[in-house]
Amino acid sequence: QSALTQPASVSGSPGQSITISCTGTSSDVGGYNYVSWYQQHPGKAPKLMIYDVSNRPSGVSNRFSGSKSGNTASLTISGLQAEDEADYYCSSYTSSSTHVFGTGTKVTVL
Amino acid sequence: EVQLVESGGGLVQPGRSLRLSCAASGFTFDDYAMYWVRQAPGKGLEWVSGISWNSGSIGYADSVKGRFTISRDNAKNSLYLQMNSLRAEDTALYYCVKSLAYYYFDYWGQGTLVTVSS
Repeated sequence: QSALTQPASVSGSPGQSITISCTGTSSDVGGYNYVSWYQQHPGKAPKLMIYDVSNRPSGVSNRFSGSKSGNTASLTISGLQAEDEADYYCSSYTSSSTHVFGTGTKVTVL
Repeated sequence: EVQLVESGGGLVQPGRSLRLSCAASGFTFDDYAMYWVRQAPGKGLEWVSGISWNSGSIGYADSVKGRFTISRDNAKNSLYLQMNSLRAEDTALYYCVKSLAYYYFDYWGQGTLVTVSS
């Protein structure tokens, strides 16, 4: 159950778009469309941002979008805003009937 | 409003046991799978364990398998995590989490801190 691989940090200026990658294997990300993304601000509990690879829960801004190709999923934040500065984690269901999170990415708004 | 309130955390010596509880409200508890997710200080999220709505399906991360036991009491709207043979590396904030469609985590408690140290 190795953690999914994410870049440690990604940054962008307000209004720009950034993309966070999440790389797994055919036993998790590549094998299922059960990929989700979570936003966590310091000292707060995580918040579900994307599920089913690309679906947004009610109330989540349409500036957040998700996709997947092979063993890599991606989260794109368009029109970057100061409030988007946070840690982001991907997650996937696995062939062992467990779940695995990514290593986490710190997003900095310059 | 969905509420998940964890309790039972604290300071414990290595090798000892601790039982975490989670009181759920604001939704039909026995309709949903539930999970425990932990986060070591300054580190990332780690899925610990999950249990289906009727306790018929249970899973554990390799790091806790054989030491931790998840359970639920649907009559009491409560989720539990029995943690035995605790190690320093189990030190973390433990979140109680509600599932969305089994595969996702849509509501999180505020967490209960477990510190394993002599």
